[in-house]
Amino acid sequence: SQELEQSPQSLIVQEGKNLTINCTSSKTLYGLYWYKQKYGEGLIFLMMLQKGGEEKSHEKITAKLDEKKQQSSLHITASQPSHAGIYLCGAVRMEAGNMLTFGGGTRLMVKP
Amino acid sequence: DSGVTQTPKHLITATGQRVTLRCSPRSGDLSVYWYQQSLDQGLQFLIQYYNGEERAKGNILERFSAQQFPDLHSELNLSSLELGDSALYFCASSVGVEQFFGPGTRLTVL
Repeated sequence: SQELEQSPQSLIVQEGKNLTINCTSSKTLYGLYWYKQKYGEGLIFLMMLQKGGEEKSHEKITAKLDEKKQQSSLHITASQPSHAGIYLCGAVRMEAGNMLTFGGGTRLMVKP
Repeated sequence: DSGVTQTPKHLITATGQRVTLRCSPRSGDLSVYWYQQSLDQGLQFLIQYYNGEERAKGNILERFSAQQFPDLHSELNLSSLELGDSALYFCASSVGVEQFFGPGTRLTVL
């Protein structure tokens, strides 16, 4: 199994609906990144969480880190077609030069 | 725009060939990371350089090598290419913990 498990793997929502994507780690989380990727394109940095209980928001996207559960969630409020893409969580692996290990991604489609 | 540039954007080549991918990090960033994204393996870390020296190695094949030059740009060399090497190759740069990704190079091996 993967070190970082994302759920769901894919999601189709109606425009205006809220949604949540989860990322669970099998190892201790020292830092957790969320990126968005348009199909076949580069990764766009969304936010980084470092402390347990930390919560950050950017526009309609909010991410939380639950250090005890080794889990992070990404919540989108009132989804729009522009939110469509692949959401990737990445965990910092400090034992390897701060490299990131990534989850398998969540493909989000937003129906107008 | 992350400030990280990668060239070329697309590369099509044949099996057995060798290619070089180039990455220019954000101004001032000393660390460069290379990642490979394929359909079956997802996004995987290959190698990291810090100020010209190799810092960490991930799932990088022996046929692949990288280096970081004094001006901090980096090159990823892929040799004896196989069909399975077809993927998106990203580089990322950082000065601290945050990593900013380039747009990627899409490699197609025919």
